[in-house]
Amino acid sequence: DAKTTQPNSMESNEEEPVHLPCNHSTISGTDYIHWYRQLPSQGPEYVIHGLTSNVNNRMASLAIAEDRKSSTLILHRATLRDAAVYYCILRATMDSNYQLIWGAGTKLIIKP
Amino acid sequence: GAGVSQSPSNKVTEKGKDVELRCDPISGHTALYWYRQSLGQGLEFLIYFQGNSAPDKSGLPSDRFSAERTGGSVSTLTIQRTQQEDSAVYLCASRRTGNEQFFGPGTRLTVL
Repeated sequence: DAKTTQPNSMESNEEEPVHLPCNHSTISGTDYIHWYRQLPSQGPEYVIHGLTSNVNNRMASLAIAEDRKSSTLILHRATLRDAAVYYCILRATMDSNYQLIWGAGTKLIIKP
Repeated sequence: GAGVSQSPSNKVTEKGKDVELRCDPISGHTALYWYRQSLGQGLEFLIYFQGNSAPDKSGLPSDRFSAERTGGSVSTLTIQRTQQEDSAVYLCASRRTGNEQFFGPGTRLTVL
């Protein structure tokens, strides 16, 4: 399985944009890039996913490098409620189980 | 509508006892996953159910772990002869179609 590398933690100021990086140098052409986040004492929640093109939704934007070996989750204006562990995960489109292989993620700390 | 629910929210048991953890997925979701999460770690896949197909049990760590899903809805994860290393948060997720998995709040299991 292709793996992802993320920083253990990041800090950001409230109401500023946050860029969370993820490296996936061994990604294959059929792997989707997923992002989930886990707020304290809660189950994970879906944030966004993409394949090749940049994606936007109400929660965040996903910027995917042209060679697809890295991606960046962008929170446009962080709030204290965005403090969570953010997971970058690859899923093979040929995997009918939609199984996700989770790493340790990035702990995002938001400073007021 | 209601999300994924899990019960109990917390379970403390003695080493050697059996435990049952319950998951109620979102109505209409045909796929159901069980994961476990040790403190400060990412999620570890345990088992996957999809409709009436045979479950994917490839993540179960030992034969003390088993799960069933009755009527394509509620699922029960059973751990027999619990050990201290079984202590973790057990998370359930369901999915209808597409990529997004919806997670429950988890059951925190503590084996004394």
